Amino acid sequence: DAKTTQPTSMDCAEGRAANLPCNHSTISGNEYVYWYRQIHSQGPQYIIHGLKNNETNEMASLIITEDRKSSTLILPHATLRDTAVYYCIVRPGNTGGFKTIFGAGTRLFVKA
Amino acid sequence: GAVVSQHPSWVICKSGTSVKIECRSLDFQATTMFWYRQFPKQSLMLMATSNEGSKATYEQGVEKDKFLINHASLTLSTLTVTSAHPEDSSFYICSAREQWGTPGRVKLFFGSGTQLSVL
Repeated sequence: DAKTTQPTSMDCAEGRAANLPCNHSTISGNEYVYWYRQIHSQGPQYIIHGLKNNETNEMASLIITEDRKSSTLILPHATLRDTAVYYCIVRPGNTGGFKTIFGAGTRLFVKA
Repeated sequence: GAVVSQHPSWVICKSGTSVKIECRSLDFQATTMFWYRQFPKQSLMLMATSNEGSKATYEQGVEKDKFLINHASLTLSTLTVTSAHPEDSSFYICSAREQWGTPGRVKLFFGSGTQLSVL
């Protein structure tokens, strides 16, 4: 699996956009970028994923650079409940295996 | 969205006893499930891949005789921590993959985790 690099922690003011970067410079052509988050003492929650186009859903937006070597997860209006560890993961989009390896992630603190 | 139920949420047991954790996919079939463990302030560590009807595949360094995995149906996988000791105390999390899905649309869904404390 391709490795990802994320900042250890970030702060964000409540109501402002939270932009979480991720570097995945060794990503392969068939690998997708996935984002999950984990709120304290809970299982990870799926947020969004993409291959090369920008994606948006009800939770967040995902911006992938043209060379696909990095991406940014955007929470448009962060709330206190968005305080969590955010994991950026790359893995093949095939239907076999689908083993997911977690890195250290980014601890996001949303402050009032 | 799809739901993965993990039970129990927490368990306290005496050293030397065995503990079973269940992971169920409630509204979809999961041929593949994964088991993770997580220590405080650390990331999730993949322990094993559980495939329905076959033996589990364990990650390097994970004792298969210590952590018994059974995946007898498309909706249920179990992890049994045998002869548990205090160092086995951890947060255990399962995840399940939908059986069908076009590439990139296959998602993993996670259980809520089980906190195991071995006295």
